[in-house]
Amino acid sequence: ILNVEQSPQSLHVQEGDSTNFTCSFPSSNFYALHWYRWETAKSPEALFVMTLNGDEKKKGRISATLNTKEGYSYLYIKGSQPEDSATYLCAFIGGAGGTSYGKLTFGQGTILTVHP
Amino acid sequence: DAGITQSPRHKVTETGTPVTLRCHQTENHRYMYWYRQDPGHGLRLIHYSYGVKDTDKGEVSDGYSVSRSKTEDFLLTLESATSSQTSVYFCAISASGGNIYNEQFFGPGTRLTVL
Repeated sequence: ILNVEQSPQSLHVQEGDSTNFTCSFPSSNFYALHWYRWETAKSPEALFVMTLNGDEKKKGRISATLNTKEGYSYLYIKGSQPEDSATYLCAFIGGAGGTSYGKLTFGQGTILTVHP
Repeated sequence: DAGITQSPRHKVTETGTPVTLRCHQTENHRYMYWYRQDPGHGLRLIHYSYGVKDTDKGEVSDGYSVSRSKTEDFLLTLESATSSQTSVYFCAISASGGNIYNEQFFGPGTRLTVL
């Protein structure tokens, strides 16, 4: 069983604050790291797919970095807004060789609440 | 929208009864997945499929079976439902175009309650 850990488990911030979360994953046999945003009563939606060490991706106020050698990824939200309130999931694709079939191993998620 | 539907959307059943959940996709994707939502665990993979009649187990497959007789349908069966299988079940597809590391698109979920 692959170990994917996210921290913190939950976070409360004020509107306008910038924040960041961490995802740690196995540093060996890495294929890809996904970030998903999951709003209450909805389905998870992909934010980023990262495959190369040193990758940095950005979508609006949200960005992510990837370090495959040490096994971590950071997700940053600049100037948080109440609509950013959601659970943020990271998911790891890895394997010991051969195809991974795209199987995702998810972290437990970080619950972000942005207060107006 | 990747054209994924799940049925039923809600179901309440009794312990010991069989239950089948259906995932239907309209865009001919090869890879399909069933996940369950568990507090403290995010989403966990139950079974996956990489083609018609090609399926395999995921992390939490005990008590579940799957079938895929057509590209568009991936069925998840709880052979004898238990209370521990009360959860929200999500189907997903990999919109891979051949790259299986691409993002996955999730269906709307099925909320299953086993009494």
